Amino acid sequence: EPEVTQTPSHQVTQMGQEVILRCVPISNHLYFYWYRQILGQKVEFLVSFYNNEISEKSEIFDDQFSVERPDGSNFTLKIRSTKLEDSAMYFCASSERADTDTQYFGPGTRLTVL
Amino acid sequence: LAKTTQPISMDSYEGQEVNITCSHNNIATNDYITWYQQFPSQGPRFIIQGYKTKVTNEVASLFIPADRKSSTLSLPRVSLSDTAVYYCLVQGSARQLTFGSGTQLTVLP
Repeated sequence: EPEVTQTPSHQVTQMGQEVILRCVPISNHLYFYWYRQILGQKVEFLVSFYNNEISEKSEIFDDQFSVERPDGSNFTLKIRSTKLEDSAMYFCASSERADTDTQYFGPGTRLTVL
Repeated sequence: LAKTTQPISMDSYEGQEVNITCSHNNIATNDYITWYQQFPSQGPRFIIQGYKTKVTNEVASLFIPADRKSSTLSLPRVSLSDTAVYYCLVQGSARQLTFGSGTQLTVLP
């Protein structure tokens, strides 16, 4: 069964450093998403991406965040200058269509900012 | 965006059927009801989606009454490995999924 993959599984970084989280969505999917989950809290939407541009973004997704689809398979989330409060699990998801279509989530990247 | 309400936690024993009910009083005409399962430190996993009446797949059933203001996820004969958080979501025109706190299901031996 096709699945969303994410790398790395765990990233440790120093405050102020840039990190890039990588995702490979399911191959025939056209819509891509990033969510995050701070330990013990809810899963929160960050951004959705379609046709090489951002479709929606939440208030969390400020200027320090960016997304990119650098090639035909990868989808990345960059955090330019990490803060302690960016420590969380980051989940990538993809769907074939938008709206009510099922979103399939990857296993997540645990980001720890020291 | 329709708000969902579901129990914070439930306990069950192995082999029992578990029913988790979610209320979504303000559901819109075009909204679907979707349930996800999440294990600790893993991504949410899609379980089932429905619009009305009953939907069944290999892992669960979803019951939605005619007024669609609530839905019930039914897990037949649970096992210890079904211990997880279960989320009820209302999914409509917005592409983003809005997760609540979910229901922590604990299956006891």
